[in-house]
Amino acid sequence: GAGVSQSPSNKVTEKGKDVELRCDPISGHTALYWYRQRLGQGLEFLIYFQGNSAPDKSGLPSDRFSAERTGESVSTLTIQRTQQEDSAVYLCASSFGLAGMQYFGPGTRLTVL
Amino acid sequence: ILNVEQSPQSLHVQEGDSTNFTCSFPSSNFYALHWYRWETAKSPEALFVMTLNGDEKKKGRISATLNTKEGYSYLYIKGSQPEDSATYLCALGSHDMRFGAGTRLTVKP
Repeated sequence: GAGVSQSPSNKVTEKGKDVELRCDPISGHTALYWYRQRLGQGLEFLIYFQGNSAPDKSGLPSDRFSAERTGESVSTLTIQRTQQEDSAVYLCASSFGLAGMQYFGPGTRLTVL
Repeated sequence: ILNVEQSPQSLHVQEGDSTNFTCSFPSSNFYALHWYRWETAKSPEALFVMTLNGDEKKKGRISATLNTKEGYSYLYIKGSQPEDSATYLCALGSHDMRFGAGTRLTVKP
C-alpha cells in the first residue's frame, strides 16, 4: 500500500483480556516503531525493529507487552491481561533505515473497560 | 535518559503572523533531530530530519535550524495560516526516539 496501515482502528476490551494490534509498514522500509499516546500525554516510544536485528524493547512498560515482526513486513503488538492504564492510541511508524523520516499509521485506539 | 523540551507549550497567533518555537535537547551523543506536525484526529506527519550542526531545512513557509553544540532547534512558520494549526513535535535520537511534549499552535483567521 501507499502508507502505513494499522488494524483495528478501534478496539474496546475488558480488563484482563489479551489484545493484538497489527501494523503493515511501507514496503521497503527496514525500520518499524511502536508508540503510544495516553490521554493528555505525549508520544511514548515502545519498541523498535530494524531489519533482522534484535528489537530494542527498552520502551515496553511491562512484561505484559510484547511485539513481533517477521523480516521487514507486518508487526504485531500484543498486550496480555490488559489493564485500564493501557488505554491509549497505539501508533506504528516505519522508516527507511535508522533515524530516517518516520511515516506514521492512523493508529489503533484501545479502550480497556 | 534524554530530555527533550519544547517551548512554548501553546501559542495563539493571528493569520499572517510569523512565529517560531524551540526544541531543546542534551547536546551529547547527538544523532538526529526530527520535526513532526500532528493535526487533531490525524497521524503525525514528518516535516524534517536534521543531522548536521548548522543544518537548515525548508518546506514551503516552514523552516528549521539546528544547533547541536548548544542543543537546540528552532522551527519557523512564515505568514501563519489557519491550516497550520496543529501540535508541532520534535524528537531526538536514532531508534529509541524521544519526543518532546509538543507546541500546540492555533492560528486565528
